[in-house]
Order: sequence, then C-alpha cells, then structure tokens
Amino acid sequence: GIQVEQSPPDLILQEGANSTLRCNFSDSVNNLQWFHQNPWGQLINLFYIPSGTKQNGRLSATTVATERYSLLYISSSQTTDSGVYFCAVVRRGGSEKLVFGKGTKLTVNP
Amino acid sequence: DAGVTQSPTHLIKTRGQQVTLRCSPKSGHDTVSWYQQALGQGPQFIFQYYEEEERQRGNFPDRFSGHQFPNYSSELNVNALLLGDSALYLCASSLKRGVLETQYFGPGTRLLVL
Repeated sequence: GIQVEQSPPDLILQEGANSTLRCNFSDSVNNLQWFHQNPWGQLINLFYIPSGTKQNGRLSATTVATERYSLLYISSSQTTDSGVYFCAVVRRGGSEKLVFGKGTKLTVNP
Repeated sequence: DAGVTQSPTHLIKTRGQQVTLRCSPKSGHDTVSWYQQALGQGPQFIFQYYEEEERQRGNFPDRFSGHQFPNYSSELNVNALLLGDSALYLCASSLKRGVLETQYFGPGTRLLVL
C-alpha cells in the first residue's frame, strides 16, 4: 500500500517562531488532508490540498503532487498550536480510505 | 450545523466482553468511516459504510463489525475484546462523491480494555 512519511517526528519551538512540516508519499493521490490533533484527541481539519497552495491565517500548505510531497507552514507559532500534526492521503485508484503518517508532535513553549 | 458526534466519550471493558460505539455524521453527509488510533500512532482505517453497506475494509479481523442506519448514523461493534483493542476510535463522515471529498472527524471514543 501507499507509504506516508512525516518529518520531523518531534519539533520544539519558542512562541513566535516559524516552522515547516513535511509529508512525503509513495504513490499518486486523489486526496491529501492535513489535520491537527489536540491534546483531547480531536482531529481538526486544516487543509484539503491534493495539489497547489492554500493559506488560512498563520497556516499555509503546499502540495507538489508530481514530486509526491506536501509542506505545512506555521508562522508566528502560539502555544495553542501544540499537538500532533497528521498528513493523510487517499491513493489514486485505490480504496477510499485515508492513510495517515505517524505525525509530527509540535510543542510550542511560551 | 452539527459536526460529527460520537458516543460514549470513554469506555472501560474487560477482556472477552463486547462493545458498541456510535457515530452521527455531519449534517448532509452520507458516508461514515471508522478508524482506530493506538497510542502514539496515526489512525488506521477499519471500514467504511455507505448506503447501509460496508464498502471498504481495512486489515482488521471479523471481530470488528459495523452497521449503518437509514439516517446515516453508524455503529462499530467489537466482540471478544483483547487488551490490544485499547485505543481511540474515530469516526469520520463525508459526502460520497468518490475520493475527492474532505473527511471530517468526530471527537472519538477512548476504549480501555482491562
């Protein structure tokens, strides 16, 4: 099946810093979503971005489908950004299931 | 507009018991998928329901079964619970238009098997 690799696995920042999270995937995809999982386990949708670039406030994402990677940018980080960030994809031509990476655990210190 | 809801929020069972988890999809959605998330891991796909039938299934044993009702809500049943079934169970809903739709997740049910 399709492989999804996220890096780095852990990231510690001071409040106000910027960061880039990466997601590599091993096959063509129809769907790519970024999620933020808060400490209570809720998966919050950040972006639906199978290709192109999107921005939402301090967050932006870029997916280069031809090169099979996606980047999530967080600017001016806040303590509330802490949590685990997941990338998930649906393989083109495969079953309609989201395949998740192992996540990047982000800690933002005050 | 109500999002995806799940019940119960927490559950404690003993080995060998059976459990039923419930999910109501986001308003307007007709497809429900279930995922299992073990501690420190990403969610793993269990199965997907559409038009009251199981349409896709991940690599989970037959002890895991489900149901979808005419109002699109869904249940996940796990029989003969094992310690390894302890996890966060997440329900996601979407509108069945192929794979191009965003999936929205509920808050999850934390299951602890003792």
